[in-house]
Amino acid sequence: AQKVTQAQTEISVVEKEDVTLDCVYETRDTTYYLFWYKQPPSGELVFLIRRNSFDEQNEISGRYSWNFQKSTSSFNFTITASQVVDSAVYFCALKSFGNEKLTFGTGTRLTIIP
Amino acid sequence: DAEITQSPRHKITETGRQVTLACHQTWNHNNMFWYRQDLGHGLRLIHYSYGVQDTNKGEVSDGYSVSRSNTEDLPLTLESAASSQTSVYFCASSPSGGLSYNEQFFGPGTRLTVL
Repeated sequence: AQKVTQAQTEISVVEKEDVTLDCVYETRDTTYYLFWYKQPPSGELVFLIRRNSFDEQNEISGRYSWNFQKSTSSFNFTITASQVVDSAVYFCALKSFGNEKLTFGTGTRLTIIP
Repeated sequence: DAEITQSPRHKITETGRQVTLACHQTWNHNNMFWYRQDLGHGLRLIHYSYGVQDTNKGEVSDGYSVSRSNTEDLPLTLESAASSQTSVYFCASSPSGGLSYNEQFFGPGTRLTVL
């Protein structure tokens, strides 16, 4: 069975601080895909990034960066120089090759204090 | 622009009533999904479909049903609403391709309250 754990239920940081959201996953599959979604206060779910299990390169997109480490089954998300607009619930999710279903973590609520 | 819509956006109903939540996508995606979002549980899969006439149960399917008569729509029916089904419901879709690489696109959600 697959499982995604986001141990941090809520995080609050002061604006301009860096913050890392943790994601640990469990799967028996060798080929799988990891995702991050953002849910701002307005409620919609916004896709942020996808990573496949064969690509352990870290990725940076502006102030966002992702660190994928198969050795620790982690796919952590870092926001540099946080801004109030980053306040949201962030979900990590997993699906296996050949299976379209997503398994979500329980989410981390991030609050950026101005 | 292609999109995925849900209606109604908010619904209040009474215990025991049948309720249908609509989901419509214009991406021509084969895969469609229904999730419920509850505090402390994240998003949990209710039902999903990989194409017309195909439906499958997810992890929390009891009390829910879906039908897929065309590519664009996957309505979710609560046969006899219960207070435990008070939740926010999200519909999603994704293109098929056999590799499962594609992300899912989510609708705006429906907030359902069962009194």
